[in-house]
Amino acid sequence: GDSVTQMEGPVTLSEEAFLTINCTYTATGYPSLFWYVQYPGEGLQLLLKATKADDKGSNKGFEATYRKETTSFHLEKGSVQVSDSAVYFCALSDPGSSASKIIFGSGTRLSIRP
Amino acid sequence: DAGVIQSPRHEVTEMGQEVTLRCKPISGHNSLFWYRQTMMRGLELLIYFNNNVPIDDSGMPEDRFSAKMPNASFSTLKIQPSEPRDSAVYFCASTLQGHYTEAFFGQGTRLTVV
Repeated sequence: GDSVTQMEGPVTLSEEAFLTINCTYTATGYPSLFWYVQYPGEGLQLLLKATKADDKGSNKGFEATYRKETTSFHLEKGSVQVSDSAVYFCALSDPGSSASKIIFGSGTRLSIRP
Repeated sequence: DAGVIQSPRHEVTEMGQEVTLRCKPISGHNSLFWYRQTMMRGLELLIYFNNNVPIDDSGMPEDRFSAKMPNASFSTLKIQPSEPRDSAVYFCASTLQGHYTEAFFGQGTRLTVV
């Protein structure tokens, strides 16, 4: 079945460092891919998405490119801030299915030091 | 739209009591998901509905858990009897299945069973 694997955390970086959080997926169809972020005490919220191969999603300085050849959707940011400290989830869904579920990775906790 | 609305935000109950969590999805969405989040197990999908019909309840931990969706605008997750190990944050999410849209999450219900 479909699945998502993302790098384990926690990840601790200094402010202004470069960030990469790896995500790979397994899917039988042509899924849409998402990154969600969860700030302390809150629910998950969409950070960015890509719906087809080679699409790049971007938001708040974060980027991720849908790579079908490597089945990856790695999250990157050139210069992180303390306010980026949160848990990040990679996810996929198959929009072509009438009743498919959204599958999440295990989450990666990111902590940014001032 | 006010987004996905969950109630209560916090619930503290004694072991053995019945607990009911409520969710109002975003109007027009046709799929609804219940998740449980703990430090140990991360984000777990418990059950999801499509057009008010339960599609997959394989994530429901045991018979003490039940979920209903009597109409498109309301769902409940019930635990009877509750146990301390059920303590977690429970999230509800909704989406428009079959389209390239993401899931929208509620703020969650923090359940503590003492």
